[in-house]
Amino acid sequence: DVKVTQSSRYLVKRTGEKVFLECVQDMDHENMFWYRQDPGLGLRLIYFSYDVKMKEKGDIPEGYSVSREKKERFSLILESASTNQTSMYLCASSFHLGTSGASYEQYFGPGTRLTVT
Amino acid sequence: GQQVMQIPQYQHVQEGEDFTTYCNSSTTLSNIQWYKQRPGGHPVFLIQLVKSGEVKKQKRLTFQFGEAKKNSSLHITATQTTDVGTYFCAGPRGNYGQNFVFGPGTRLSVLP
Repeated sequence: DVKVTQSSRYLVKRTGEKVFLECVQDMDHENMFWYRQDPGLGLRLIYFSYDVKMKEKGDIPEGYSVSREKKERFSLILESASTNQTSMYLCASSFHLGTSGASYEQYFGPGTRLTVT
Repeated sequence: GQQVMQIPQYQHVQEGEDFTTYCNSSTTLSNIQWYKQRPGGHPVFLIQLVKSGEVKKQKRLTFQFGEAKKNSSLHITATQTTDVGTYFCAGPRGNYGQNFVFGPGTRLSVLP
């Protein structure tokens, strides 16, 4: 059974702290993603990685960085947490590009609800 | 930038009624995907449409991809309480993009 796991379901941090969110997938997927989900805004892409040590900025990368040292693991780092980063963070993974216009489905982890006080 | 919009934002229906959500992209899409997120859960892939005008069915769910490949719809016939959740459409960035732009979702409530 395919699996994407995230290090914490709930996290409470203080303003200014450095925060690490970890994501691990066991499906040998090339692509991994970090999203944040806020009511009414859907899923917004923070960063995307298509290979080890490779990353691309998404729509809202400001205040975040990522690390992918191994294929199965993708970390999201909040360098100095702020209250406006309180949100649900979702990790996802997928295989690389499909053929004939098709893409591969994304598998999501259970999410980490981060509260910054 | 590329945008994906969905309407309505919320829909409340009586159990047994039909439901439709619409998805519109600002650009032509090579494919479109649909996901469902149950309350308290994470998004789960439902289906992908690739061809212009394509229609696919999954039991009571019917998915359609527009002729111009810029819009899509999801129709649920005779809703059940198990259909409750938020339905997202997502389109790849650019041509054959590796990552997706998600719509804001339509939250469906089903009253028993």
